[in-house]
Amino acid sequence: AQKITQTQPGMFVQEKEAVTLDCTYDTSDPSYGLFWYKQPSSGEMIFLIYQGSYDQQNATEGRYSLNFQKARKSANLVISASQLGDSAMYFCAMRESTGRRALTFGSGTRLQVQP
Amino acid sequence: EADIYQTPRYLVIGTGKKITLECSQTMGHDKMYWYQQDPGMELHLIHYSYGVNSTEKGDLSSESTVSRIRTEHFPLTLESARPSHTSQYLCASSESAYQETQYFGPGTRLLVL
Repeated sequence: AQKITQTQPGMFVQEKEAVTLDCTYDTSDPSYGLFWYKQPSSGEMIFLIYQGSYDQQNATEGRYSLNFQKARKSANLVISASQLGDSAMYFCAMRESTGRRALTFGSGTRLQVQP
Repeated sequence: EADIYQTPRYLVIGTGKKITLECSQTMGHDKMYWYQQDPGMELHLIHYSYGVNSTEKGDLSSESTVSRIRTEHFPLTLESARPSHTSQYLCASSESAYQETQYFGPGTRLLVL
C-alpha cells in the first residue's frame, strides 16, 4: 500500500521569500510518480509539478522545484519568491504504478504568504 | 491547460433527493476519476474508469454510482442524498501516457440538509 505523509499542517512565509513544503512517501513499487497540487480557497486542484521515480534530475516548473531524495523517500516542494497568490492548500500525491493509476494524497499543508 | 468541467459548482438539496453531478472533459482522455474531499482534508478515490463502459469502485466506500457511456462524460449519481454525503466532489481525467498527470475540474460542493 502507498502512503503519503505531509507533517506541516500550516506554514507561514514572507512575501518574496522561499519556502519548502515537506512530503515523504512510502511504497514498495520501483516505479511511481509524484505530484504536487495547489488548492486555492475556490476549491479547484491545480497541477504544479511532477517527478518520476526514474528521473535523474529534480523537476522544475517556473518558481516551483521539487527536491527529490529517493533514498530518503522525500519529495519536498520548494516555492521561490513567494507571492500573495501562493496562499493555498498544497497537496503531495503519488500515482500507483499499475492498475488504476489513481492518486494517493497526503493531508495537505496550508501555506499563508504574508506581506 | 486542461479542459474539464463540472456542474453544478454548488448544490444544496434535501434528504432523499436523487442528484447527478456532471463531469465532462474535452481532451479525449481515457481515464477518469471521482474523488471526495471533506473541507481541509485529503482527497479519497470513490470511482474510476479506464474508458467507455468501464467503471470501478475506489478506496472510499460510497453509495454513489457512475456511468461512462461516452469518453468525455463521467456523471456521478446519488439515488437518495443524505447529510453524510455533504462534501466536495472532484472529477479528474488523465491520458494514458508516461506522466499521466491528472487534471481536475473545479469541483462540486454538495450540502445535503
